[in-house]
Amino acid sequence: QVQLVQSGAEVQKPGASVKISCKASGYRFTSYFIHWVRRVPGQGLEWMGMIDPRNGNTNDAQEFQGRVTMTRDTSTSTVYVHLSSLRSEDTAEYFCVREELNWIFDYWGQGTLITVSS
Amino acid sequence: QTLVTQEPSLTVSPGGTVTLTCASSTGAVTVDNHANWFQLKPGQAPRTLIYSTTNKHSWTPARFSGSLLGGKAALTLSRAQPEDEAEFYCVLFHGIIWVFGGGTKLTV
Repeated sequence: QVQLVQSGAEVQKPGASVKISCKASGYRFTSYFIHWVRRVPGQGLEWMGMIDPRNGNTNDAQEFQGRVTMTRDTSTSTVYVHLSSLRSEDTAEYFCVREELNWIFDYWGQGTLITVSS
Repeated sequence: QTLVTQEPSLTVSPGGTVTLTCASSTGAVTVDNHANWFQLKPGQAPRTLIYSTTNKHSWTPARFSGSLLGGKAALTLSRAQPEDEAEFYCVLFHGIIWVFGGGTKLTV
């Protein structure tokens, strides 16, 4: 069955960076985009960007450009999101979600809580 | 900056019908915005209910349906059940980016 398993919760200090993983299984890794979405406490969902595992091409939301990097490792069917220059407003739950190559979102990871605090 | 607007909150009686909408600041929502709808419950990962405006996943309860209504994407819940109480989010495709709505808190 399709699964997206994310790395565990982390606490980071302001100014630091964090790298979250999302390991895919149960399907052909390169056949689906992976998006990253976050939810800040008390707020809604926010699209961060996406990666095409076939070639590593990415597309990021303007709000995160310059701070976010998405990568993938096809040998382990894992995608990563790296967010730098963390600030308290980045405290959120981060999700990976799969998109079939026709604008179809389906499976979500379980979420990773990132807390930014001094 | 593109904004996507949803009703902040709605209430429906058990067994009743309610329609949630999703509007874009760029104009009428069309099939080319490929609206997806998601349900969020506390402590759970989001669940995708609707893709490409009208299509259901195999796990989507039959009482949920998607459509275009008056220039907006819409999610209609018929025969509401207590377990449908949740937050609902739409996301719209705008060329190269996706933009989420602010979410609707649905009370049953």
